[in-house]
Amino acid sequence: QVQLQESGPGLVKPSQTLSLTCTVSGDSFSNGGHYLNWIRQPPGKGLEWIGCIHRSGTPYYTPSLKSRLTISLDTSKTQFSLTLTSVTAADTAVYYCARDGTDWGQGTLVTVSS
Amino acid sequence: EIVLTQSPDTLSLSPGERATLSCRTSQSVNSNSLAWYQQKPGQAPRLLMFGSSNRFTGVSDRFTGSGSGTAFTLTISRLEPDDFAVYYCQYYGATPFAFGQGTRLEI
Repeated sequence: QVQLQESGPGLVKPSQTLSLTCTVSGDSFSNGGHYLNWIRQPPGKGLEWIGCIHRSGTPYYTPSLKSRLTISLDTSKTQFSLTLTSVTAADTAVYYCARDGTDWGQGTLVTVSS
Repeated sequence: EIVLTQSPDTLSLSPGERATLSCRTSQSVNSNSLAWYQQKPGQAPRLLMFGSSNRFTGVSDRFTGSGSGTAFTLTISRLEPDDFAVYYCQYYGATPFAFGQGTRLEI
């Protein structure tokens, strides 16, 4: 069974960089065709797809965050990562990683505050 | 970029009733790339339907997805207490894989 787990700091200061990692277990990264996604949910609000990376290594970003967002893949560690620069309070959210739409991490709350 | 609009924002029903949730896309989309999710408080979303009408593993047959073009529907028959949650549609045929704003199904 595939499991995903987000990790990273729960508190980031404004203007700094948010970095999260998703570790995937129970799945071979050599199997192609999957999209590895990052989705976030501000407190009390809906889901926002922010980007993904295909197993081939090609990333895709939502237009509103494209200038600040990088998603990368480390197949040797079966991990993929998110880096969001110049964060503001509007980036405060629960961040989920997901393999396609079928398997999700439990989510991690990231608060942007000084 | 495709925008998904769900209606209603909130649906108030009783156990045993039927729920009909709507998802409209800003342009015609391939129905093979439309998904529905259920989310309960404090939990990650759970995939219910993919390809607009295919139930994911373990999903009750009380859940039915339908639609084409720009109009999609999730129907939940004989509502049970566990069904009261927030439901999202998502288009994954082209990036950005946008979500609708959600419909809250409340008792």
